[in-house]
Amino acid sequence: EAGVTQFPSHSVIEKGQTVTLRCDPISGHDNLYWYRRVMGKEIKFLLHFVKESKQDESGMPNNRFLAERTGGTYSTLKVQPAELEDSGVYFCASSQDAAPGRAKNIQYFGAGTRLSVL
Amino acid sequence: DAKTTQPPSMDCAEGRAANLPCNHSTISGNEYVYWYRQIHSQGPQYIIHGLKNNETNEMASLIITEDRKSSTLILPHATLRDTAVYYCIVRVRSGSNTGKLIFGQGTTLQVKP
Repeated sequence: EAGVTQFPSHSVIEKGQTVTLRCDPISGHDNLYWYRRVMGKEIKFLLHFVKESKQDESGMPNNRFLAERTGGTYSTLKVQPAELEDSGVYFCASSQDAAPGRAKNIQYFGAGTRLSVL
Repeated sequence: DAKTTQPPSMDCAEGRAANLPCNHSTISGNEYVYWYRQIHSQGPQYIIHGLKNNETNEMASLIITEDRKSSTLILPHATLRDTAVYYCIVRVRSGSNTGKLIFGQGTTLQVKP
C-alpha cells in the first residue's frame, strides 16, 4: 500500500513568488491534514479536510495560504505571495477516521516538502 | 487538549531499553495519550496510543500511571535507527475535536553504540 506522497520534496523560490505544494493521501483516507514546521518552532497544525470539505482551518496563518481538495482525493496548498517567514517544512497526513482512539484514526505522514523562500 | 511535558533530550545505549517519560497532569478522562516520533528528514511516524491500560505493539510499550497523569514510552531494545525526536500528544476522545495533533518540543533520543 502506497503511503502519503508529497510533491515536490524541496522547493526554492524568491519572495513574492507563488508555490503550490501537493499531497496525495493514502487511498481511501477521507481525512487529510496539513502541518508545518518553521525554523526553530514546533510542528503546527494548519488545516483538516474531510473529503473535499474543510473541517478545521484554524491553523492557517493568513490569507496568502489557500488549500484545496477537489474531488476529495489529492490536496494542494498554495502560498501566494510567498514571504521569507513561510520557509520551513510542510507535512501532509491522512487517516481513515478522525475520532481519537480507534486504529482508523491513526495519521500517517508524508516525508514533507521543504520550502525555502529567498 | 491537555498540555504535555517531556525532557528535551535523553541518551540510551544501543541494545538497552529506552524509557521516555511524559507528564500530562491535566489530562481528562476522555483524552488519549499518543506517541509519535520524527526521524531526521522524515515525516512524523505513529508509534502507539492508549487511554488508561498499558499497551504494547511491535514497536514499543506504553505504560500509563493509574492516575493517568503521566506515561512512559518504552523501546525495549533500542537501535541506532531509533534516534529521533519523540512526541507525546494528548487528544480528546470525541466531541468537536477534528483530530488535529498538537506537537510540543518532544524528547530528542540519542541512541549510542
